[in-house]
Amino acid sequence: GAVVSQHPSWVICKSGTSVKIECRSLDFQATTMFWYRQFPKQSLMLMATSNEGSKATYEQGVEKDKFLINHASLTLSTLTVTSAHPEDSSFYICSARALSGAEAFFGQGTRLTVV
Amino acid sequence: GQNIDQPTEMTATEGAIVQINCTYQTSGFNGLFWYQQHAGEAPTFLSYNVLDGLEEKGRFSSFLSRSKGYSYLLLKELQMKDSASYLCAAMDSNYQLIWGAGTKLIIKP
Repeated sequence: GAVVSQHPSWVICKSGTSVKIECRSLDFQATTMFWYRQFPKQSLMLMATSNEGSKATYEQGVEKDKFLINHASLTLSTLTVTSAHPEDSSFYICSARALSGAEAFFGQGTRLTVV
Repeated sequence: GQNIDQPTEMTATEGAIVQINCTYQTSGFNGLFWYQQHAGEAPTFLSYNVLDGLEEKGRFSSFLSRSKGYSYLLLKELQMKDSASYLCAAMDSNYQLIWGAGTKLIIKP
């Protein structure tokens, strides 16, 4: 299957700082990228959908000014958690889908801990 | 509304067979996915069904009935490493994935 690389795998940051998470499709062009958050023992929660070159579409209840998403190229999308707080601590996962395919391929996930 | 239902937890014995069911209601339908997720890791793709019937892939098989809004994942010859959560997801008419809460599968020796 196609490869999606997510970086970093884990990060610890201080409350009030910002953290950027990268999601790269290594061997295909990802026209659509999805960002999910997953709290322990819960299912994936879609945060936003981004299409290359356009603004991300955020799910209800997700603050777009806090979770900045950029999808500037067909192989890279970034999620920036601004002014992070302990309640933002979670597992963040990206997935990418090519225009020609139905399947979405997942990155490895980023475990964010805000202290 | 859109909804995915799957059991919260199942227990099975090593070497046995287990079937995880999933029912879905979506606005339009563009396929049904099954993913495996081990604790602390991202989901990995198992199967995709868009036509009715059974798709077999090694020890894992997936079945779809569009008229019933129903799918199942069948795992044969269970191994301890199969202990994981299994996520069912249906793709709606906008090609968005609607996720189930996942079924935690516990394998006992």
